Amino acid sequence: GENVEQHPSTLSVQEGDSAVIKCTYSDSASNYFPWYKQELGKRPQLIIDIRSNVGEKKDQRIAVTLNKTAKHFSLHITETQPEDSAVYFCAASTTPNYGGSQGNLIFGKGTKLSVKP
Amino acid sequence: DAGITQSPRHKVTETGTPVTLRCHQTENHRYMYWYRQDPGHGLRLIHYSYGVKDTDKGEVSDGYSVSRSKTEDFLLTLESATSSQTSVYFCAIRQGATEAFFGQGTRLTVV
Repeated sequence: GENVEQHPSTLSVQEGDSAVIKCTYSDSASNYFPWYKQELGKRPQLIIDIRSNVGEKKDQRIAVTLNKTAKHFSLHITETQPEDSAVYFCAASTTPNYGGSQGNLIFGKGTKLSVKP
Repeated sequence: DAGITQSPRHKVTETGTPVTLRCHQTENHRYMYWYRQDPGHGLRLIHYSYGVKDTDKGEVSDGYSVSRSKTEDFLLTLESATSSQTSVYFCAIRQGATEAFFGQGTRLTVV
């Protein structure tokens, strides 16, 4: 089955700096890669996602890049702010097909990002 | 809230007792999942469902069972709770190869 590795487990940056979180996946059939942000005591919520037919996607200060050949993808946060402090999870899945893979979302272990004012 | 609710939100139970957690959705999504979240382990898949009465095991299914008799409800049962099952449990729903929406979570403590 799919295995997702995420690094680093903790990341501390100064406000205004950039933060990068990296993930690798094992299943070459995976084609959907979301990133979730979880604030303390809250549920995980999607912040950005990318599909395997795209190499990069941006949304304001957040971007995700995907390297299918190397089977890794990364989250980039620019101009970090204290409210970016949270735990970030990457995940990977295939497309569900009714005769085989159910396309389950498998998560990395998370990165705790701290942004110091 | 994407129309997904979990109950109860908090529960304390004794070792050896049965416990059932409920996940309810109003979105008519096909896929439903139970994850557990523990420090240092992220979100680990316990069981999932791909339709009414269609369920299967995830990464950490030992000691858990599930049932889905209606599209909107997915139940997670701990037949005989153990201290190692103390965790935060999240239900999630998905229509296909798209975003998963999570419930608010259930904090379960087994004493």
